Amino acid sequence: GENVEQHPSTLSVQEGDSAVIKCTYSDSASNYFPWYKQELGKRPQLIIDIRSNVGEKKDQRIAVTLNKTAKHFSLHITETQPEDSAVYFCAATDSGSARQLTFGSGTQLTVLP
Amino acid sequence: SAVISQKPSRDICQRGTSLTIQCQVDSQVTMMFWYRQQPGQSLTLIATANQGSEATYESGFVIDKFPISRPNLTFSTLTVSNMSPEDSSIYLCSVGVTNEKLFFGSGTQLSVL
Repeated sequence: GENVEQHPSTLSVQEGDSAVIKCTYSDSASNYFPWYKQELGKRPQLIIDIRSNVGEKKDQRIAVTLNKTAKHFSLHITETQPEDSAVYFCAATDSGSARQLTFGSGTQLTVLP
Repeated sequence: SAVISQKPSRDICQRGTSLTIQCQVDSQVTMMFWYRQQPGQSLTLIATANQGSEATYESGFVIDKFPISRPNLTFSTLTVSNMSPEDSSIYLCSVGVTNEKLFFGSGTQLSVL
């Protein structure tokens, strides 16, 4: 089955700086890669996703890049703000089904004011 | 995305008792799932709640411990049976939208004494 590794486990940045979180996956057939943000005590929320036929996708201050050859994908947050502080999870699936999503271990991002 | 209501939001239970968690969605959805998130950990799929038939359980989870009902396309329940302190976790209902996208309910914080 799919295995998703996520790094780093914790990340601290100064407000206004950029943050990058990286994930690698094992199954070359994986074709859908979502990212979730989970604030303390709240539900995980889908913030951006990318499919394997696209190399990069942006939504305001967040972007995701995908390198299919290397089997890794990354979340980029620019101009970080304190409200970006949360745990971020990456995930991957090869079946086109939400049931088969495999989640990474999570990254605790702290944005320091 | 769907609006997913989950209750209770939190509970403290005694060892050996059972707790039933309810999940209500504001629209009919094909796929409903139950996840567990242990403290500081990632998301683990417990089972897929199938409408009108028995749930499909992931490796390590069994029906006797986590019975699930899904009487219609908008409602499901998860029971955590014969609880022990190891069952202390956040339990999350989730739904699949447009096949791949996964959205989560607000979660149930369970503490077992």
